Amino acid sequence: GAVVSQHPSRVICKSGTSVKIECRSLDFQATTMFWYRQFPKQSLMLMATSNEGSKATYEQGVEKDKFLINHASLTLSTLTVTSAHPEDSSFYICSARPRGRGTYNEQFFGPGTRLTVL
Amino acid sequence: GENVEQHPSTLSVQEGDSAVIKCTYSDSASNYFPWYKQELGKRPQLIIDIRSNVGEKKDQRIAVTLNKTAKHFSLHITETQPEDSAVYFCAPQDLDTGRRALTFGSGTRLQVQP
Repeated sequence: GAVVSQHPSRVICKSGTSVKIECRSLDFQATTMFWYRQFPKQSLMLMATSNEGSKATYEQGVEKDKFLINHASLTLSTLTVTSAHPEDSSFYICSARPRGRGTYNEQFFGPGTRLTVL
Repeated sequence: GENVEQHPSTLSVQEGDSAVIKCTYSDSASNYFPWYKQELGKRPQLIIDIRSNVGEKKDQRIAVTLNKTAKHFSLHITETQPEDSAVYFCAPQDLDTGRRALTFGSGTRLQVQP
């Protein structure tokens, strides 16, 4: 149980285009999902917290108009990188926290999406 | 916010030796202390965690020890094997705040030499 998928696993796009990444919890409901970005040989940095049915909360320095997050259901959150540029090339990972776990905070990560912007 | 540091940043050991990674945090209210393992190009996976009311927890070859007074906790791996080679991240948290996003340490790259 507690499986999180991401699609696509890899994407290469041209500068200026938009890319959508999906994060799904396959066997549980998640009221909250998180989006992280990881540059090579670096740690995971939180970009935003995605809440089902409400607006995402972005971390300082993350442009909400550039990284659009939609959490339309209890099992799906999407991250759209708009007008992508080479500096957006990174490994994007989502995580989901199962609903109803109280204060316990085990999170389950997706396999990540490697974005390359040419 | 939480300021998290990990040491060492890289660690190379011979197979069968022990490895210890230390995580120092700043928020004295932190009460949950997990360790994640991330293999190259893969997702992070929780390998062990501890709550603040416990000083040590062990699960086979891995253990976590906590020193709340000094604000640090450590990951111990005994009888290391090549498959332990990965990057390890700590992510201390205060579960009482309601904030559920993880603040990861900078990571420790462990290389186990056969």
